[in-house]
Amino acid sequence: QVTLKESGPGILQPSQTLSLTCTFSGFSLSTYGMGVGWIRQPSGKGLEWLANIWWDDDKYYNPSLKNRLTISKDTSNNQAFLKITNVDTADTATYYCARIALDYGGDYFDYWGQGVMVTVSS
Amino acid sequence: DTVLTQSPALAVSPGERVTISCRASESVSTGMHWYQQKPGQQPKLLIYGASNLESGVPARFSGSGSGTDFTLTIDPVEADDTATYFCQQSWNDYTFGAGTKLELK
Repeated sequence: QVTLKESGPGILQPSQTLSLTCTFSGFSLSTYGMGVGWIRQPSGKGLEWLANIWWDDDKYYNPSLKNRLTISKDTSNNQAFLKITNVDTADTATYYCARIALDYGGDYFDYWGQGVMVTVSS
Repeated sequence: DTVLTQSPALAVSPGERVTISCRASESVSTGMHWYQQKPGQQPKLLIYGASNLESGVPARFSGSGSGTDFTLTIDPVEADDTATYFCQQSWNDYTFGAGTKLELK
């Protein structure tokens, strides 16, 4: 059974760094083809992909946010992490982590966490 | 960026057939996937690779298309299908459509 759960600070101030953790079970990020992605959703709005990390430590970032994002993993503890520097009120959103299914036709997110709300406010 | 365009909202009656469209600004081959999101919940994968039904998803859901034009079909629609449906492409990085809110009459 695959499960993922996000954790984060809840609230932080503008210009701070947001640190998010995804703790998962039912798969391993050391297994060929496995990946974890981060996606966010402002309240009442659409989904925005942020970053992916793969079993071989390959990392991919949303080009529009790349200079603010850092994704990493701790394979032994089944965790993935995302840091976003210099946050602004526009970063207020629910943040999801999701397992990525590697497919020749295009990767997709097959299991999602319940999401963690993050508010940026002074 | 590959932009995905969806109609914002649809209203149908239970038992009817509904098609939700997604148009890509450039070809994504069959790298198109569909998700259902109910209020307060995380997205749920319905269709991957344009036309492949995810395990456990009712056969009432189907997907079609390739290149730039894609369709999610629900036939017949049930009351529980009230949700927002998002398309997502993974051929050129990853982008999501803005979502189509499906309401039942």
